[in-house]
Amino acid sequence: GAVVSQHPSRVICKSGTSVKIECRSLDFQATTMFWYRQFPKQSLMLMATSNEGSKATYEQGVEKDKFLINHASLTLSTLTVTSAHPEDSSFYICSASGQGARDGYTFGSGTRLTVV
Amino acid sequence: QKEVEQDPGPLSVPEGAIVSLNCTYSNSAFQYFMWYRQYSRKGPELLMYTYSSGNKEDGRFTAQVDKSSKYISLFIRDSQPSDSATYLCAISMDSSYKLIFGSGTRLLVRP
Repeated sequence: GAVVSQHPSRVICKSGTSVKIECRSLDFQATTMFWYRQFPKQSLMLMATSNEGSKATYEQGVEKDKFLINHASLTLSTLTVTSAHPEDSSFYICSASGQGARDGYTFGSGTRLTVV
Repeated sequence: QKEVEQDPGPLSVPEGAIVSLNCTYSNSAFQYFMWYRQYSRKGPELLMYTYSSGNKEDGRFTAQVDKSSKYISLFIRDSQPSDSATYLCAISMDSSYKLIFGSGTRLLVRP
């Protein structure tokens, strides 16, 4: 139980375009979702926290207008990287917690974004 | 000072060895402690979740928490090459609060 599905697993896009990443909780209600970014050989850095039906809370230094987060339902959150640039290339991972979830947090499998 | 410190390694051990991974944290308000395993280009997988001081065992894994010293450990017995991965400690103030991750320790178990 407590499965989080993240799509796509890999995406390559041109500089200046937007990319949407989806994170779905398959068998529990995700009242809270977290979005992380991970650069090679580095740890996970929290970008934002979103509660269902509310605006996301962004960590210091994360541009909310660039990284748009929507958490409109208890099973789906999306991260849209707008006007992507090569420096946005990274590994993006979501995690979810909520009623029916196991202790701790369940992570998606991650999305590798490459901006060319 | 970082909120959680973890030696990045890499740590290289022979197959069958006992592995000890450690993290220290700075704020006594942290109450929840987790260990994750992350294979290359994959999402983290929860290994252990603990709340109180003491030991928690699950198969070959033992998590240890010492709140008085603000020190957490993960022990892996009879290590296998398939255990080769990056191990991340994570801490949180409550069960719905954001996680703060250590930098991760890369472990290599040699056959």
